[in-house]
Amino acid sequence: DTGVSQDPRHKITKRGQNVTFRCDPISEHNRLYWYRQTLGQGPEFLTYFQNEAQLEKSRLLSDRFSAERPKGSFSTLEIQRTEQGDSAMYLCASSILENEQYFGPGTRLTVT
Amino acid sequence: AQSVSQHNHHVILSEAASLELGCNYSYGGTVNLFWYVQYPGQHLQLLLKYFSGDPLVKGIKGFEAEFIKSKFSFNLRKPSVQWSDTAEYFCAVRSLSGGSYIPTFGRGTSLIVHP
Repeated sequence: DTGVSQDPRHKITKRGQNVTFRCDPISEHNRLYWYRQTLGQGPEFLTYFQNEAQLEKSRLLSDRFSAERPKGSFSTLEIQRTEQGDSAMYLCASSILENEQYFGPGTRLTVT
Repeated sequence: AQSVSQHNHHVILSEAASLELGCNYSYGGTVNLFWYVQYPGQHLQLLLKYFSGDPLVKGIKGFEAEFIKSKFSFNLRKPSVQWSDTAEYFCAVRSLSGGSYIPTFGRGTSLIVHP
C-alpha cells in the first residue's frame, strides 16, 4: 500500500500524559499536513510542512502541540500534558505542492 | 473569516433517488474547490475538484459538481444514488488570495441510502 499511513490508529491516554503520533506520507509528496477532526465537524487545519520546513501553523495549535518533519519524509505530532478537549481524530495528509491532498486513516485519541 | 457552509447535515434517500448536496463559501477572488467522501471505516478520499475551466466537473462514481461563481456555490450532484454511496461528504475550499493555500472544510453531510 503506497498511501498515507498513520500510527497508532487508536490511542487512549490519561489526562496530563504526553502522546506522539507518526505520519508517513506518500513517498514523492513534498507537503505534509496535520488536521484535527471532532465528531460532526470537518477536518480543521493544524500545521503543514514543505519538505522539512514548517510553513504554517494554525491558532488551534497551542504551545502544548509540536510537530516535526526532520528529514522531509515522515512527521510526528506530539501533544504534551493532554487534556480531555484534545480527544479527537488526528488526520495526516500529503500532496505535491498545491495539488490535491491524500489523507491517511487517522489516529483516534481518547483522553480519559 | 473564511467559511464553508454545508447546509444539509443529514440526508436520507432511497436507492435510485437523485442527490444534491449544497456547499457555499464566503471567499472572494479565485478559489479551488473540492469534494471529499469518507465511507464508513475508511479514510477521506477525493471525489472531484475544480481548479479552473469548465465549471461542471465530473468525478468518480458518477458524481458531478457545478461551480457557480456568482452564487459562491459548488453543489454536488448524482442522478441516481446507490446503497454504496452511504458516507460522509465534505466540501472544501481553498482561496488563492492571501498566501495560504490550505483548504477550509465544511462540517460535512451524512448521507444514508436505503436499499
